[in-house]
Amino acid sequence: GAGVSQSPSNKVTEKGKDVELRCDPISGHTALYWYRQSLGQGLEFLIYFQGNSAPDKSGLPSDRFSAERTGGSVSTLTIQRTQQEDSAVYLCASSLHITRTDTQYFGPGTRLTVL
Amino acid sequence: GESVGLHLPTLSVQEGDNSIINCAYSNSASDYFIWYKQESGKGPQFIIDIRSNMDKRQGQRVTVLLNKTVKHLSLQIAATQPGDSAVYFCALTDKLIFGTGTRLQVFP
Repeated sequence: GAGVSQSPSNKVTEKGKDVELRCDPISGHTALYWYRQSLGQGLEFLIYFQGNSAPDKSGLPSDRFSAERTGGSVSTLTIQRTQQEDSAVYLCASSLHITRTDTQYFGPGTRLTVL
Repeated sequence: GESVGLHLPTLSVQEGDNSIINCAYSNSASDYFIWYKQESGKGPQFIIDIRSNMDKRQGQRVTVLLNKTVKHLSLQIAATQPGDSAVYFCALTDKLIFGTGTRLQVFP
């Protein structure tokens, strides 16, 4: 595709519900990142997939957060039992190579609101 | 801990003037720095990058300066235009550390 796409663009959910956020990276990109952007905060790294290696999950804030990447392409970020503090914009990025010094291209994000 | 901070949360400039956005970081081991531009409702967009073995890099209307001694990074935008209005933030990409951003407002 032309760029990284994410869906949905907006998600409103009730506290305690599970949500799934989707990311379609740029075709051929081997690395995929998930970030969280809260109001007034810098991007917070969540998880990083690099090729076929085990993902780097060091940024996940709790065990309610999980992500998978199927077939080396599409990724889904799942938040279980959502809390109000999970409200944020969730950004996905992909890069061509698996080194962290490669340029990351971001999607438009999913704005999650937990009521 | 590691952190990246911007000197000013908001910068207002007149169209045609030059803009300078600054970033200070605490991690001395970073090798790769990027400036991103983020418009309202959109994802961050790559502007320019610089590696630690350089102290200056120029693009079209933009220049990035890196001072490793004082751990300072700056983005200079020449002849600022209304379309430059956005939030700009620096990133220590290899460390996955991002600044909070400076909102650039351009007035006619």
